[in-house]
Amino acid sequence: DTEVTQTPKHLVMGMTNKKSLKCEQHMGHRAMYWYKQKAKKPPELMFVYSYEKLSINESVPSRFSPECPNSSLLNLHLHALQPEDSALYLCASSQVPLGGGPYNEQFFGPGTRLTVL
Amino acid sequence: KNQVEQSPQSLIILEGKNCTLQCNYTVSPFSNLRWYKQDTGRGPVSLTIMTFSENTKSNGRYTATLDADTKQSSLHITASQLSDSASYICVVTDNNAGNMLTFGGGTRLMVKP
Repeated sequence: DTEVTQTPKHLVMGMTNKKSLKCEQHMGHRAMYWYKQKAKKPPELMFVYSYEKLSINESVPSRFSPECPNSSLLNLHLHALQPEDSALYLCASSQVPLGGGPYNEQFFGPGTRLTVL
Repeated sequence: KNQVEQSPQSLIILEGKNCTLQCNYTVSPFSNLRWYKQDTGRGPVSLTIMTFSENTKSNGRYTATLDADTKQSSLHITASQLSDSASYICVVTDNNAGNMLTFGGGTRLMVKP
C-alpha cells in the first residue's frame, strides 16, 4: 500500500460547527504533515508530526487542532472556523521526519475540499 | 529568505506539442529539487527529484534539468497529452537540519485538442 488516504473528500460546515478531517497511511512512515492550499497557490505547511509527536506548528490558529492517535493516523479537528479557512487541506507522510536526507519524499493524499459558510 | 519562482504562471498548448516550464530558486544550502504534478482538487504527485550532483532526470515524457550554479531548473514535457493538463509545482528542499520545503507558485498547464 503506497498511498495516503483522506476523508472526507468534501466538507461543508458552518462557523459554529465542529468537524474533523482524517488522514491514514500504511507505509510505515513516521512523519505526517498537514498543509493548507488556497486556489491557485502552493501548499502552506501547518503542522508536522514526528514519531507521533507534534514537532512543528507554523503559528496556526487554535481553531485548528491536530491529533496523531497512532503512527498511521492523523486527524485535524476544526472548530469555529471562518470563511477564509475554506481551502484544500492536504495530508502528507514521509518515511522519516524532515532532516531525513534528499530522498525522504513526502507522499501527498488527495486532499479534503473544505468550505466554511 | 528562501524563495522559488516559477514561470510562466499559466500555459496553453495544443495536444502533441512540447513545452518547457522554468523554476528559479534562492534556497540555500541546497539539498534537492522536485517537480510535482497536481491535478485539480488532488494532492501533488512527485515526477522527478534531483540532488546537487544531478543535472538531468527523465520520467517518461517528462525531463527535468538542474543547473546548480545558476540555481535554475526546467521541466520539459514531450508530445503533450490532454492528461498533462495540471499544475506543475517546483519544490526545493534545503540542507539545514530541518530540511524544510519551499514551494514554487506553480505553472498551470492546459493541453487542448
